[in-house]
Amino acid sequence: EIVMTQSPATLSVSPGERATLSCRASQSVSSNLAWYQQKPGQAPSLLIYGASTRATGIPARFSGSGSGTEFTLTISSLQSEDFAVYYCQQYNNWPPSYTFGQGTKLEIK
Amino acid sequence: EVQLLESGGGLIQPGGSLRLSCAASGFTFNNYVMSWVRQAPGKGLEWVSAISGSGITTYYADSVKGRFTISRDNSKNTLYLQMNSLRAEDTAVYYCAKDFWSGFYRAFNIWGQGTMVTVSS
Repeated sequence: EIVMTQSPATLSVSPGERATLSCRASQSVSSNLAWYQQKPGQAPSLLIYGASTRATGIPARFSGSGSGTEFTLTISSLQSEDFAVYYCQQYNNWPPSYTFGQGTKLEIK
Repeated sequence: EVQLLESGGGLIQPGGSLRLSCAASGFTFNNYVMSWVRQAPGKGLEWVSAISGSGITTYYADSVKGRFTISRDNSKNTLYLQMNSLRAEDTAVYYCAKDFWSGFYRAFNIWGQGTMVTVSS
């Protein structure tokens, strides 16, 4: 079973600054990696798929990078609406399964 | 508008059964793999199960294998999750999620609002 580990658990950043979130896979997942944002009381929403492709309607300030076992989500200039919990997720082709990281809470500094 | 709407959650005793439903609209339902994902209170996300567009093939997380059954009725655009032998650790918000396939990569691009399942005596 592939284990996804996110760091840090909590990240405190000021509005307008850059945030960098990390996700590590216990074995290579190639680029089968997605990022989601979840705000309190809401369902998650897709930000990035294929490690680096923004989903429809996602602002350019969100970018994803990495492949294999190391991945990064960068938010270039934090807006008030970006403070939320972020999850990475890998997809395994066979047997089909999805594994999420434990999440990074991005809070206002 | 693409939409998923879950229902069927509630309070159930340990060992009991519950069936969740997810009504889909705004897209060609039978063209897409669908999944259930859950989130225990204050915890992270856990994929539970997935089903192919035709309904023929199903997949489960080890934590629910043998107790939960995923199914779909494409004539009703509805996804189901039959949950048996429920345990306290199954307490969670259950989301249905639509699969997105880019041609190379998968993800969940549409999520329902979730339905809460509480397993307690």
